[in-house]
Amino acid sequence: QVQLQESGPGLVKPSETLSLTCTVSGDSISSDYWNWIRQAPGKGLEWIGYIYYSGNTNYNPSLKSRVTILVDTSKKQFSLKLSSVTAADTAVYYCARGRDYYDSSGQSTSFDYWGQGTLVTVSS
Amino acid sequence: DIQMTQSPSSQSASVGDRVTITCRASQNIRSHLNWYKQIPGRAPKLLIYGAFTLQTGVPSRFSGSASGTDFTLTISSLQPEDFATYYCQQSYTPPYTFGQGTKLEIK
Repeated sequence: QVQLQESGPGLVKPSETLSLTCTVSGDSISSDYWNWIRQAPGKGLEWIGYIYYSGNTNYNPSLKSRVTILVDTSKKQFSLKLSSVTAADTAVYYCARGRDYYDSSGQSTSFDYWGQGTLVTVSS
Repeated sequence: DIQMTQSPSSQSASVGDRVTITCRASQNIRSHLNWYKQIPGRAPKLLIYGAFTLQTGVPSRFSGSASGTDFTLTISSLQPEDFATYYCQQSYTPPYTFGQGTKLEIK
């Protein structure tokens, strides 16, 4: 059974850097895409970005200047850093596995396993 | 970015009802459309990927269909555990984007 678990501070001060780690168990991290997705209180889902096990990344342009996602395959972990945070970055942050599938339309991906989520509040 | 628009935003229904939720993409995404279910306080759960394919373990009362840029999630006979918020998500190209959600409430 694949499991993902987020960890990190629940409170970050404005202008500082939010740092979270996702630990993967039950699966090799040396395949698939490893994603961060967030959800502001009472709002919808926003994809932040992914890292492939090889280290290739893809970030949401709306956050790209502030986001870094790294992977440590030896620890089966990947991490998120979001700099210069404001109150607008207050959200539940989820890590999720992106697994490719193939159908008549070609190759695509879906988020098939998610962590439970961790609430990060930006406040002084 | 590809915009995903769901309708309705909320819907009241009763156990046993047939329910449909629609998602429209702002451009052609072929069948690269996924559906998720979210219960309050929990992470989203993948229901359908590739517009039509049920994720392993998802009950057969759930189904997905597509016509051009319009996608539909159908629940054939609502069960108590189906009252939740449903999201569509395009996986055609990054940035991956979600619909705003459809909250299914008990009538």
